[in-house]
This record gives sequence, structure tokens and C-alpha cells, in this order.
Amino acid sequence: AQKITQTQPGMFVQEKEAVTLDCTYDTSDQSYGLFWYKQPSSGEMIFLIYQGSYDEQNATEGRYSLNFQKARKSANLVISASQLGDSAMYFCAMREGGSGGYNKLIFGAGTRLAVHP
Amino acid sequence: DVKVTQSSRYLVKRTGEKVFLECVQDMDHENMFWYRQDPGLGLRLIYFSYDVKMKEKGDIPEGYSVSREKKERFSLILESASTNQTSMYLCASTSRARSYEQYFGPGTRLTVT
Repeated sequence: AQKITQTQPGMFVQEKEAVTLDCTYDTSDQSYGLFWYKQPSSGEMIFLIYQGSYDEQNATEGRYSLNFQKARKSANLVISASQLGDSAMYFCAMREGGSGGYNKLIFGAGTRLAVHP
Repeated sequence: DVKVTQSSRYLVKRTGEKVFLECVQDMDHENMFWYRQDPGLGLRLIYFSYDVKMKEKGDIPEGYSVSREKKERFSLILESASTNQTSMYLCASTSRARSYEQYFGPGTRLTVT
């Protein structure tokens, strides 16, 4: 069965430093997608970054990058130069199956990140 | 600007009441989803719909039903609310063309007393 594991319930980082949030996944599909979402205290889910299983390059979006290691089935999120506004809950998610279709997502339990000044 | 809206941010209902949670998206998306979010469990899929009047069960459909009479609107129904349905409910939508990005609503925090 497909599964997402986030082993860090909470993390803290000093402002301006980089932080890595861990995510491992389990799937027997050859084609899948991995996502990271941010959920601030206000509750809305904000899409951060996406990595397809066939993408050769690691995805990057501004200060966010996804460290995709297919053989280890890991998809860690790296946030460079942390800002106070990065304090939030972060969820790793996986899309079942290939592109298109219904795109059901399976979510991990989340990691709460606190950025300290 | 893309938008998914939910009818209420906070809702308090009594055990046994019938509860309707409404979700509306203005992006002409084909797919819509209802999740519930509980601490330590992440988000779990309740139901989803890939077209008007079509619905599929997610991972935890028990105690819930859904309705999609129009493309832009997806309703979650709790036929007889119970205290274990106290949770945060999140609606999301996605298009088939840009299938990798789900847009979420702001969530409804439901308390059943």
C-alpha cells in the first residue's frame, strides 16, 4: 500500500539558516508524483513544490528545493535562508498513479517548523 | 486569482444533526476532493468527484456522503453527526490538464458536541 512517512513531528531553525524536512514514501507504481504543502496557522494549504517520478532534475521553486532520491524513496524538502514567515506545518504528499486522472493524494502526518529570530 | 471557498470557517453542531459543508471553486476544475485533517494523521481523503454527479469513495467514507450537482460545487454531508467527526475539513480541486497541483479551500473547523 502507498504510504508517506514524515518522521519529524517538530523542527526548529534559526532565521537565515537552511533546514531539511524529511519525507519517505512507499509505492509500487513506476509513475507517481511527490508534493510539498505548507499550512500556516490560518489553515489554508499552500502548494510549494512538485517532483514527478521521471523528472531527472530535482525540483526547485525559489527558496524551496526537493531533494529527490528515488532509490532511497525519499523526497526531502530543503528551505534555504529560513524566514520567520516559514513557521508553519509542512506536509509531504504523493499522487497515486500517473499524470492526469483523478490525482488522489496521500499525505504524511506533517512536520511543524518553527523559525526562531 | 484562483479560488476555492468553503461555506464556513467554524461550525458547531450537536450529535445527531445533519450537517452540510459546501465547497465552491471558480477555476472550472473537473476534480474535487474532501479531506479531513486530524493531528498526527495528516489529511485523509473522504470522497472525491471527477465530474458532475460522479463520486468515488476515498479512504474514510464511513459516516459521510457527497453531492455534486454542478461542476463548481461539491458538498459534504454528515447524515447524523457524531463527536468523532469533530475535525478540520478541507476541500480541494484540480484540473485534468494541470493535474499535479491541487488548490485547497481555507478549511472548516467542525465541532460536534
